[in-house]
Amino acid sequence: KNEVEQSPQNLTAQEGEFITINCSYSVGISALHWLQQHPGGGIVSLFMLSSGKKKHGRLIATINIQEKHSSLHITASHPRDSAVYICAVTGNQFYFGTGTSLTVIP
Amino acid sequence: NAGVTQTPKFQVLKTGQSMTLQCAQDMNHNSMYWYRQDPGMGLRLIYYSASEGTTDKGEVPNGYNVSRLNKREFSLRLESAAPSQTSVYFCASSLTGGANTGELFFGEGSRLTVL
Repeated sequence: KNEVEQSPQNLTAQEGEFITINCSYSVGISALHWLQQHPGGGIVSLFMLSSGKKKHGRLIATINIQEKHSSLHITASHPRDSAVYICAVTGNQFYFGTGTSLTVIP
Repeated sequence: NAGVTQTPKFQVLKTGQSMTLQCAQDMNHNSMYWYRQDPGMGLRLIYYSASEGTTDKGEVPNGYNVSRLNKREFSLRLESAAPSQTSVYFCASSLTGGANTGELFFGEGSRLTVL
């Protein structure tokens, strides 16, 4: 049973496209996290949010607590955005999705 | 800023050998974690330490031991390595544990291969 489900698992986009990655969860949470992992690299935190919407540069994260759903949007995608994006939630512990692998083609 | 530092970055072991992965954080965080990452699976918790002096088992603790040496350092030991322990290991830390952990900070990962 997966407490956190992400879609799609894999995504290929052309440079400049608008990208959406979805995350649904089934547990009660205090916060939701979006993480980024570049190939062979470490994991960095992009966002932590418990309601509404946050924006950093070209990245936007939204959460709907009632629907237990979050989206990560990337505007004007660039090849350097190619990475695995991981959704995680904080309930009584951390639960992680399996990640969405994004490839942005020049 | 160092953040979370883990060593070594790469290690190859033979079945039955032992090794220790070291992790240190300089953010004065109370909670520290060890995860393993395998293809097609989400990060899985091996052990965690909610605060200095405490450790608890996570989802996949078998074959591992941990030590919270002090507030900064949290080590993971494989006493007798098995091929099933081939994985990428991540150390992480957060200000607190439980329901209000705050942001999670990760180390760069340690790629372990057991032959």
